[in-house]
Amino acid sequence: KAGVTQTPRYLIKTRGQQVTLSCSPISGHRSVSWYQQTPGQGLQFLFEYFSETQRNKGNFPGRFSGRQFSNSRSEMNVSTLELGDSALYLCASSPRQGSTEAFFGQGTRLTVV
Amino acid sequence: GENVEQHPSTLSVQEGDSAVIKCTYSDSASNYFPWYKQELGKGPQLIIDIRSNVGEKKDQRIAVTLNKTAKHFSLHITETQPEDSAVYFCAAPWENQGGKLIFGQGTELSVKP
Repeated sequence: KAGVTQTPRYLIKTRGQQVTLSCSPISGHRSVSWYQQTPGQGLQFLFEYFSETQRNKGNFPGRFSGRQFSNSRSEMNVSTLELGDSALYLCASSPRQGSTEAFFGQGTRLTVV
Repeated sequence: GENVEQHPSTLSVQEGDSAVIKCTYSDSASNYFPWYKQELGKGPQLIIDIRSNVGEKKDQRIAVTLNKTAKHFSLHITETQPEDSAVYFCAAPWENQGGKLIFGQGTELSVKP
């Protein structure tokens, strides 16, 4: 069974631009969560999607958004990028909404210059 | 909500020795405690988890113990090998909401041959 796939692996963007990251969950998994990982703040929850609906949201500004498609694939978008948005963005898939087991992808390394 | 504290932040052991990493949590209602291993350039990998209805769980050289009264849980690695070198994270669910995990700050384990 293929694992969680995130694309792209690396991105370099300029301040003020926007970016879209993609995540394909494990086959059969229907819940997707996104996390931001930085050296200073560690792993922080961004949001969770299930059945194309956002179910939980972390404490991030509205510049961070996401969506989920009918095939459970998910995208997250960050608008008006700031230097502090440089981080590893991780996607985790779970079998169902409310499931605590989470399986992570390799992440997308975003650098904002 | 949940708060997770993890100690130590760095741990260096000789190959063959044991390593112990400890986490405390604040929400007495939490009922699921996973441990993740993150190698350089990779996403966190779920290595073992425990639910609140058991006190200990083992999987080969790794084990997790849970003390619900004291609200702490620990990861034990025996007969450490150089390939165990990585950053280890503990986590607990936010208000038992699936898909949202609160992570500890991480422990960088170094196993010296």
